[in-house]
Order: sequence, then structure tokens, then C-alpha cells
Amino acid sequence: SQKIEQNSEALNIQEGKTATLTCNYTNYSPAYLQWYRQDPGRGPVFLLLIRENEKEKRKERLKVTFDTTLKQSLFHITASQPADSATYLCALKALRGFGNEKLTFGTGTRLTIIP
Amino acid sequence: GAGVSQTPSNKVTEKGKYVELRCDPISGHTALYWYRQSLGQGPEFLIYFQGTGAADDSGLPNDRFFAVRPEGSVSTLKIQRTERGDSAVYLCASSRDRGYNEQFFGPGTRLTVL
Repeated sequence: SQKIEQNSEALNIQEGKTATLTCNYTNYSPAYLQWYRQDPGRGPVFLLLIRENEKEKRKERLKVTFDTTLKQSLFHITASQPADSATYLCALKALRGFGNEKLTFGTGTRLTIIP
Repeated sequence: GAGVSQTPSNKVTEKGKYVELRCDPISGHTALYWYRQSLGQGPEFLIYFQGTGAADDSGLPNDRFFAVRPEGSVSTLKIQRTERGDSAVYLCASSRDRGYNEQFFGPGTRLTVL
């Protein structure tokens, strides 16, 4: 069966260090993978998208890698700050082309940056 | 500009009642999605509209759930004969068009069925 797993429910990182979150999937051939941030009581907010033919994407302190052989994406936050504390969700768009736009989400990792 | 809005923010109802949840997408966005999120889980896809039509309703759990988008903007998710297991946060998202990958989410409606 299809499954998306994020490495842990919760991750605590010291301020200033790099936080690395993992997203593994099975039985998918995703067209692309997205990362979202979700704060308590709010909807997810889009951060980054990486396509199946891309290895790495960066945006400011964020970096995403995508290894379709390992079926894994890594999400890195460098120079982490307490304001980065949130739940981070990975999401796959499973089918290529138009007509099926739904996202399938992982369960999320709750990241806490400790001052 | 205004983001996606959802009303009500909270809804408490009794088992067996009918509820309607409303979503106002970002103006001009043709694609609209409904998701359901239970505590400690990621959002779970329910239905996707492209314009007025439901392009994919494969995530609706059963025939008690129905959604409409009659004029291609506002959407209403309708749940009949609510059950305690329907309790969750219902999230709406919109995107500019199909193929535009970023989805903009509303704050959600927290539904509690007693």
C-alpha cells in the first residue's frame, strides 16, 4: 500500500544548529514533492516544491533534497531560530499531468527550536 | 490581498445533525480543494474542484459527504447525519489553476460532533 512517513513526531534542535527532517514514501512515483509549515490552529503554508527531476532546491535558510532512488526527501533549516518552531508536512502529487491535482500528506514532524 | 477564508471557525453539533462548512477561496483561483485533518495527522484529501465541477471526489469517505461550488468561487461542504468520527478540522485550499502547484490554505473549521 502507499505510505508517506516523516521521520519522527517531534524533533528538538538547539538554536543556531541545522534541523533536518525526513520524508520517506513507498509505492509512489511522485511528480513532485512539497513541504509545508503548519502552526497550531492554522492551515498549512507552502514553503518549497521539488520536482522528480531535481536533486536540490534552496530558499533562504531552507534546503530540500529529493532522491527518487531512495524514495526520500530531506528538508533542512540552517541557522535555526525559535520562530522556526512548527509542524512541517511533506506532501506528494502522485500523478503527472493535469486532471489529478490532489496532494497526499505525511503525518508531519513537530519541530521545536530551543533557545 | 485576502487569503482563503472559512466559516464558521468552530462548529459543535449533535450526532445525526446536518452541517454546512463554507470556503471562500482567493479571488480568481479556479482550483479548490477540501481536506480533513485529525489530531496528530496530516491533511487528508476529500475533493477537488476545477471551476464549478468536481474533478476528483475520490476522497469523500461516504455518501453523507457532499460538496458544491455552483459559481466557481465559494464552496460548501455538506455533511449529513453527522457521526462522532466526523470530528476533525476541515481545511479548504485554493490554487490559481490546475498545474499551479502551490496550494493556499484557509484556517480551517473545527467540527465537533457530540
